[in-house]
Amino acid sequence: AQTVTQSQPEMSVQEAETVTLSCTYDTSESDYYLFWYKQPPSRQMILVIRQEAYKQQNATENRFSVNFQKAAKSFSLKISDSQLGDAAMYFCAYRSEGGTSYGKLTFGQGTILTVHP
Amino acid sequence: DADVTQTPRNRITKTGKRIMLECSQTKGHDRMYWYRQDPGLGLRLIYYSFDVKDINKGEISDGYSVSRQAQAKFSLSLESAIPNQTALYFCATSGSVETQYFGPGTRLLVL
Repeated sequence: AQTVTQSQPEMSVQEAETVTLSCTYDTSESDYYLFWYKQPPSRQMILVIRQEAYKQQNATENRFSVNFQKAAKSFSLKISDSQLGDAAMYFCAYRSEGGTSYGKLTFGQGTILTVHP
Repeated sequence: DADVTQTPRNRITKTGKRIMLECSQTKGHDRMYWYRQDPGLGLRLIYYSFDVKDINKGEISDGYSVSRQAQAKFSLSLESAIPNQTALYFCATSGSVETQYFGPGTRLLVL
């Protein structure tokens, strides 16, 4: 079974600075997707960014980018020019593309991000 | 209108009661999922359905059952609620190769 680990229960950043959230995963599959979801206090799960494992190029969405290291099974999220609205719980998630686990998401434990003005 | 809706949004119930959480979607997706979120554990998959006739157990299905009444509706039942089922419950949907889209969540408290 796949596992996803977020080793930073909490992180903080000053407004306008950059912060990186870490995620590692364990899998024997070669084809999969990785996601970062944001959960603000409203508790809504919001997709931030996704990465296809077969793509070597790191995904980018405006101020959000990832550092995907497939061999190291690492998938970190970088938030540039942090804003107060970025404060939330962030979840890393793995989606299997093979076998009986096809389409299922496995989540990490989450990282609470605090943004200081 | 929201693409994925959940009712109720909040619920308090007593141990031993039967409770149903409902999920509806207007995205036209075939796949639907139920997760529970506990502090420090992230989201864990309870049940999932790839179409109306296909229902599968997730990693924590004990104590839960589901019903896929239609492509757009997927209900989660707690047959006899217990306090350790107190959690935040999410429904999600996806197309065949798309991202999962989540509902707003249902906060359940079992006394």
